[in-house]
Amino acid sequence: SQQGEEDPQALSIQEGENATMNCSYKTSINNLQWYRQNSGRGLVHLILIRSNEREKHSGRLRVTLDTSKKSSSLLITASRAADTASYFCATDPMDSNYQLIWGAGTKLIIKP
Amino acid sequence: NAGVMQNPRHLVRRRGQEARLRCSPMKGHSHVYWYRQLPEEGLKFMVYLQKENIIDESGMPKERFSAEFPKEGPSILRIQQVVRGDSAAYFCASSRGSWEETQYFGPGTRLLVL
Repeated sequence: SQQGEEDPQALSIQEGENATMNCSYKTSINNLQWYRQNSGRGLVHLILIRSNEREKHSGRLRVTLDTSKKSSSLLITASRAADTASYFCATDPMDSNYQLIWGAGTKLIIKP
Repeated sequence: NAGVMQNPRHLVRRRGQEARLRCSPMKGHSHVYWYRQLPEEGLKFMVYLQKENIIDESGMPKERFSAEFPKEGPSILRIQQVVRGDSAAYFCASSRGSWEETQYFGPGTRLLVL
């Protein structure tokens, strides 16, 4: 089952604009990961940010992590039509039972 | 409505033994996906199955790994003659319809090979 919260649930923007998605979680974590799910494909891993990191970049992606607020954001700059997908965050909690806790996802639509 | 169920949650095997991981999809879901996650890495797709059919096994190692989703019962991911490198978390997901639909993930099975 999926837990955690992501907002917004859906986001529709014009091509070229920036898209920001947020993720909140409940427990202390080892790391937080963002995934993309394109139509017709499986999950694709985007970025992993560790609990001692505050920001990470990968190409047009920028992820921030605020452990005091238990939240993360994913920013996609200069969006393209190919960025249309669902985006999920998943946390690796610090307790002994290793598993990923998943957010419900944000559906991003980039309008040409 | 119960979510995706996986068992066991933790599995310890010695090198050379077999590991069987089970996944029961959500009620009404006929599509199952298996993913593997190595420590500190993201999920990697392994195989996509519908009832009695393997649709896409492009992510599955060619040897020792097999998967099935029989008409009745859970989906099984089977790893024969396990090696230490097989130690990972294995996640199952299910969806109602095709590959494009939202996948709901189970809690995972953590396999440790001694």
